Amino acid sequence: GAVVSQHPSWVICKSGTSVKIECRSLDFQATTMFWYRQFPKQSLMLMATSNEGSKATYEQGVEKDKFLINHASLTLSTLTVTSAHPEDSSFYICSARGQGSTDTQYFGPGTRLTVL
Amino acid sequence: QKEVEQNSGPLSVPEGAIASLNCTYSDRVSQSFFWYRQYSGKSPELIMSIYSNGDKEDGRFTAQLNKASQYVSLLIRDSQPSDSATYLCAVGGYSTLTFGKGTMLLVSP
Repeated sequence: GAVVSQHPSWVICKSGTSVKIECRSLDFQATTMFWYRQFPKQSLMLMATSNEGSKATYEQGVEKDKFLINHASLTLSTLTVTSAHPEDSSFYICSARGQGSTDTQYFGPGTRLTVL
Repeated sequence: QKEVEQNSGPLSVPEGAIASLNCTYSDRVSQSFFWYRQYSGKSPELIMSIYSNGDKEDGRFTAQLNKASQYVSLLIRDSQPSDSATYLCAVGGYSTLTFGKGTMLLVSP
């Protein structure tokens, strides 16, 4: 149980293009999904929290116009990196939390983005 | 600002030994505590959750929580080389989790 998938697992794109990453909860309904970014040898950095049907809440310093988050259903959230630049190259990981009282987050396998 | 502190390591133990990983947190109202394991290049994987003071055991893993001392630990018995990874401590109290930077564990054969 509690399986979260991400697609694609890796992507290489040219500078200036946009990239969409999908996060799906496969066997539970995720009322809340989180998007993290992790640079090599660094800790996880929370970018934003999204609740189904609501606008995402972005952490300080994260540009909401650059990182567009949509959580249109209880099983799907998407992160779009708009006008990507080489400094956006990172490991993007989503997590999902189901209905209930615990804070347990289940992570997707991550998407490695390389911007040339 | 909520903080979760972990020793970055690496913590080196021989195969079969007990590995002890520690974590302290700053927010006294934290209610939920988690240990995640992250292999290099992979995403975190949930190992244990603990909510009450005391010990919680699951197989070779034991999580220990002391809210008065704001301290949570993870013990790994009979450590195996496959346990070599970075262990992340995460603390929750509201809607989000605060992660520590992780402790790298190296188990030598």
